[in-house]
Amino acid sequence: EVQLVESGGGLVQPGGSLRLSCEVSGFTFTKHWMTWVRQAPGKGLEWVANIKQDGTEKWYVDSAKGRFTISRDNAKNSLYLQMISLRVEDTAVYYCARDLGESGDFGMDVWGQGTTVTVSS
Amino acid sequence: QMTQSPSSLSASVGDRVTITCRASQSISTYVNWYQHKPGKAPRLLINAASTLQSGVPSRFRGSRSGTDFTLTISSLQPEDFATYYCQQSYNNPYTFGQGTKLEIK
Repeated sequence: EVQLVESGGGLVQPGGSLRLSCEVSGFTFTKHWMTWVRQAPGKGLEWVANIKQDGTEKWYVDSAKGRFTISRDNAKNSLYLQMISLRVEDTAVYYCARDLGESGDFGMDVWGQGTTVTVSS
Repeated sequence: QMTQSPSSLSASVGDRVTITCRASQSISTYVNWYQHKPGKAPRLLINAASTLQSGVPSRFRGSRSGTDFTLTISSLQPEDFATYYCQQSYNNPYTFGQGTKLEIK
């Protein structure tokens, strides 16, 4: 069964850090771009970052640049999102997702259940 | 940039509804459509503007006219009431539209 399982969410103070993980199973991880998407309370989906199969190419939404780092460990079938300098507006449910297509440009067909990040004092 | 409309829509079971996304530049057919229900993961319905994903009912249809992309749901079913998003995957970052909340009239 194809599965993505996120972990690492929680409550953190503004300015703090958090590292999200996404463990995948049931498919060949090294064949897919991977993406993080978030949804803040009462808001729509926001694409956050993606990473190429070998980790050599990464893209970020402007609000994440310089603060978030996406990475992957292909030996562990795991995707990560390191977040520093967290802001209240980073409060959201964070999803990891599998991208379709060699270049990751045909949508995200498998999603995790999400992990909740709350940034509050 | 993807501009999605309407932001909300009330309809009845059996109705036909249309949701539109307009791209700010030519993006070929690199548009995907998702359904999202509260407390659940988003679901990919259509990719490449018009390719229906496996297991998605045929009442969902995607189309393109230039830089305008449309999701049509013919004959709404109770399980279709959700929020729908378009997404462009032509240029990173792969942005979503603002979403359309489809509610029961």
